[in-house]
Amino acid sequence: GEQVEQRPPHLSVREGDSAVITCTYTDPNSYYFFWYKQEPGASLQLLMKVFSSTEINEGQGFTVLLNKKDKRLSLNLTAAHPGDSAAYFCAVSPHYGGSGNKLIFGTGTLLSVKP
Amino acid sequence: ETAVFQTPNYHVTQVGNEVSFNCKQTLGHDTMYWYKQDSKKLLKIMFSYNNKQLIVNETVPRRFSPQSSDKAHLNLRIKSVEPEDSAVYLCASSQSGTGGAEQFFGPGTRLTVL
Repeated sequence: GEQVEQRPPHLSVREGDSAVITCTYTDPNSYYFFWYKQEPGASLQLLMKVFSSTEINEGQGFTVLLNKKDKRLSLNLTAAHPGDSAAYFCAVSPHYGGSGNKLIFGTGTLLSVKP
Repeated sequence: ETAVFQTPNYHVTQVGNEVSFNCKQTLGHDTMYWYKQDSKKLLKIMFSYNNKQLIVNETVPRRFSPQSSDKAHLNLRIKSVEPEDSAVYLCASSQSGTGGAEQFFGPGTRLTVL
């Protein structure tokens, strides 16, 4: 089955620095990719969804890059601030269409942004 | 308010007891999920239901049993809890029809087994 590896497990940066989190996956048929943010004691908040092609998506304060050839997905927080401190998870949906598509999650990255 | 709601927030129990967790979504979705997040924050799918029908049933111990009365509700019963069941149980929902539908998560139920 699909395996999703996420690096680094912990990341500490200064306010204003960039922070990059990367996931690699194994199943070439994986089609949809997601980034979730989990603040302490809270649930998962969807940051972005990307499709099966090489593309760059820009959100509010972050960029997501998908490289299907390398089976790599990355999240780049361009100028981190303390409010970005949280756990971040990538997730892969291995099915196209249908119902009950399960998400395979990466192992998570705990980001700490110091003032 | 449209969201995914879970009760209880926390539950502490002894080994061998039975517990039940409830999940309700008011997003109008037809698919619901249970995920387990362990102490290392690893997230794994347990079950998925579409319109009350079990779609995904990962390899979980038989003491876990999901129950769905309608597409807006998905409960989880653990018949005889064990220490390794201590975790946060997250409920999620999505709308089927097109692939890659976003899943929206509830706040979770934290289970502690003594």
